[in-house]
Amino acid sequence: DAGVIQSPRHEVTEMGQEVTLRCKPISGHDYLFWYRQTMMRGLELLIYFNNNVPIDDSGMPEDRFSAKMPNASFSTLKIQPSEPRDSAVYFCASSLSPRSGSNYGYTFGSGTRLTVV
Amino acid sequence: RKEVEQDPGPFNVPEGATVAFNCTYSNSASQSFFWYRQDCRKEPKLLMSVYSSGNEDGRFTAQLNRASQYISLLIRDSKLSDSATYLCVVISQGGKLIFGQGTELSVKP
Repeated sequence: DAGVIQSPRHEVTEMGQEVTLRCKPISGHDYLFWYRQTMMRGLELLIYFNNNVPIDDSGMPEDRFSAKMPNASFSTLKIQPSEPRDSAVYFCASSLSPRSGSNYGYTFGSGTRLTVV
Repeated sequence: RKEVEQDPGPFNVPEGATVAFNCTYSNSASQSFFWYRQDCRKEPKLLMSVYSSGNEDGRFTAQLNRASQYISLLIRDSKLSDSATYLCVVISQGGKLIFGQGTELSVKP
């Protein structure tokens, strides 16, 4: 089991550039989540998908952020244009469908550390 | 008010000490509860689930009080390797995991 795979591991970009973060969920998981983590705000849920359909994007900070899931094995989070305040670690996680009392096999990827200068 | 609140710490304790972390949640409809551990510059990983009757896993004991909307984690005989950030996690209706800010633990020799 390869786990949730994110790329790149590190990204340094200049302000104004487009940034694309990628995620491959665990095969068979039908939920996919994008989180952002900073020292000030902790882990924030940005958006999540169920069966490739966006369910809740209320955590997406602004229109510069967009996420897609074209198929069950791939998702992207795009920031255009990027700003220094977007610097953070972005985590992708995937899980099975919710069942009471279970964490649904909720697994995080290793994260992408984004620095916008 | 944040949906899940924790004391950020840091908690600095000597090896062998017992340490307790607390967490409160605001949504009474929350369905499931967990503690996650996050090491520096790593992803969060599941430590243990929290059940209404309380549950234990070796040196770790988790408790849930639904009436008070309160969750706790007790670590006995702490080890140097327990140093990490401990995240209280609540699953809301719809399956969203909501994380607390985390409590930092540092175990010293």
